[in-house]
Amino acid sequence: AQKITQTQPGMFVQEKEAVTLDCTYDTSDPSYGLFWYKQPSSGEMIFLIYQGSYDQQNATEGRYSLNFQKARKSANLVISASQLGDSAMYFCAMRPTGGYQKVTFGTGTKLQVIP
Amino acid sequence: NAGVTQTPKFRILKIGQSMTLQCAQDMNHNYMYWYRQDPGMGLKLIYYSVGAGITDKGEVPNGYNVSRSTTEDFPLRLELAAPSQTSVYFCASRDGEAPDTQYFGPGTRLTVL
Repeated sequence: AQKITQTQPGMFVQEKEAVTLDCTYDTSDPSYGLFWYKQPSSGEMIFLIYQGSYDQQNATEGRYSLNFQKARKSANLVISASQLGDSAMYFCAMRPTGGYQKVTFGTGTKLQVIP
Repeated sequence: NAGVTQTPKFRILKIGQSMTLQCAQDMNHNYMYWYRQDPGMGLKLIYYSVGAGITDKGEVPNGYNVSRSTTEDFPLRLELAAPSQTSVYFCASRDGEAPDTQYFGPGTRLTVL
């Protein structure tokens, strides 16, 4: 069974500062993918970044980077230079590689960017 | 490309009524999924499909049915709506290729009174 844990229900960050959103996971699958999604107040789920379990380098997408520590089973999202538009819920998710394999989501972290 | 589309955006049902939530994707993705998101929670998988004609249950299938007659469409049927089905429903699709991202529709907010 897979499990995603996001221990920060809410976070505040000052505009232009960096923020780290924590995510730990548990799985017995040897190969898997880790995802982060953003859900603004409008409700849609927006894909941010993906990390494969065998990828050698940490994933980056613009201001988003994923701090992947396989031995610790953590996949923290780092947002650099926070903007007011980054205020949203952020969900960490994972899925074993291959086949239909369902995605398991964490409970989310609500990020609020303060001007 | 429209991506993943869902209709309706909002709906209020009375207990015992039935309805179909529509989902369509124009990316030729084989895999499609229905999730529900309860307030303050992550997403839970209701049903999924790995291709036309093939569907299977997810974590929380009770009270729902699906069909997949074409690659593009994956409707979700609610029979005998109950207040416990009040939720936001998301449809998603993916092509199975790296980076194997799921693309989500905008969601349907359903209230059962």
